[in-house]
This record gives sequence, C-alpha cells and structure tokens, in this order.
Amino acid sequence: QVQLVQSGAEVKKPGASAKVFCKASGYTFTTYAIHWLRQAPGQRLEWMGWINAGNGNTKYSQSFQGRVTFTRDTSASTAYMELSSLRSEDTALYYCARESNSFDIWGQGTMVSVSS
Amino acid sequence: EIVMTQSPATLSVSPGERATLSCRASQSVSSNLAWYQQKPGQAPRLLFYGTSTRATGIPARFSGGGSGTEFTLTISSLQSEDFAVYYCQQYNNWYSFGQGTKLEIK
Repeated sequence: QVQLVQSGAEVKKPGASAKVFCKASGYTFTTYAIHWLRQAPGQRLEWMGWINAGNGNTKYSQSFQGRVTFTRDTSASTAYMELSSLRSEDTALYYCARESNSFDIWGQGTMVSVSS
Repeated sequence: EIVMTQSPATLSVSPGERATLSCRASQSVSSNLAWYQQKPGQAPRLLFYGTSTRATGIPARFSGGGSGTEFTLTISSLQSEDFAVYYCQQYNNWYSFGQGTKLEIK
C-alpha cells in the first residue's frame, strides 16, 4: 500500500542539527512532491516547505529559510529534512506528506525534542 | 500570510446527531480548501480537497461546502469513530492550517 515511513524520535541539544528521513513505498517516488510540516505541542500545523522528488527543486517557508534543507535520494525513494541551529521552540512532531489533492498521504511523524 | 480560523474550538455532540464545523480564511482562498481528521497518536487524514471533493474512502455522511472565505464541514450522523480533531487548510497561497476543532462525545 502507499505509505510514508519516517525515522524515529530524536533528542538534541540547542544549537545542534536534526535530520529526519521519510521513506516512500507503494508508488513512484519521483512523481509527487514531498512536503514537510511540523506540529509543536498545543500549536497548529505549520508548513515548512517542499521538495520536488523528481528534479530536487525546493521551496522553503520564510519561517525556516536558511535553517532547513530538504534533499532526496531517488534510488532509495527517500526524502530528508535537516533543521539546524535547533532551539527549544523547535520541539515538535515533524511530518512528511505527499502532495496529491493537497496532502493525501502522511508519514507517522517524528518527534524532535530540543533540550539542554 | 493567510490566517485560518476555526470555530468552535470544541464541539460536544451526541452519537447519531449532526455536527457542523466552521472555518474562515482571512482572505479569499477560492475553493482551495482541504479538511483533515486527526486522532490521538495518528497523523492527519485527508477528508476533503477542493472544498467538497471527498478523499478516497471517506464516507458519504461527511460533506464539505463553502467558497471564498467561509467553509463548513458537516457530519450528518456522528459515529463513534468520528470523534477527533478536525483541521482546515488552505492551499491557495502557500499553505496554512486552522487551529483545529475538537469534536467530543456529549
């Protein structure tokens, strides 16, 4: 079946970086864009940006510009999100989602906790 | 940035009854509006896109409507599995979500 499976939870110190993967299966990876979103405790979902899985083009939300990088490995049908210069406010559940008629398939989420 | 506002924050409804959830956009999003359902410990699940087009597998008791800045999600006869948090999301100008409406059992 069509699914996105994300990497496991991470605990980071302030100033460190976190890298999350999102592995696609059940469809042709390069056909759809992958978006990254996050949900901090008690907050609404926040869009971070997207990567065109076919050509690798990216678009980042201004809120994260300069701190986030999206990449993909087509041979592994996997997208990656790296967030640098982490601060406590970055503690959140990070999701990848496939773009088709908005976001039709979501990963299970990856908890990134930032604490000294 | 387009701000999405949902109301009410919490809606208490008895099983079998009708529930109507509202979503307002700070400026027109045309019909580029989606609804999601989220249960505890799960990722959001797409219910509607294009305001009123049901996603795959969504039962007919769910309906979506509206246009421009005012949108509604209606569940005609609530089932136990429908109690969850619902989010609206616009994709007319980048992407933004409402704060959610929690639908709870009365």
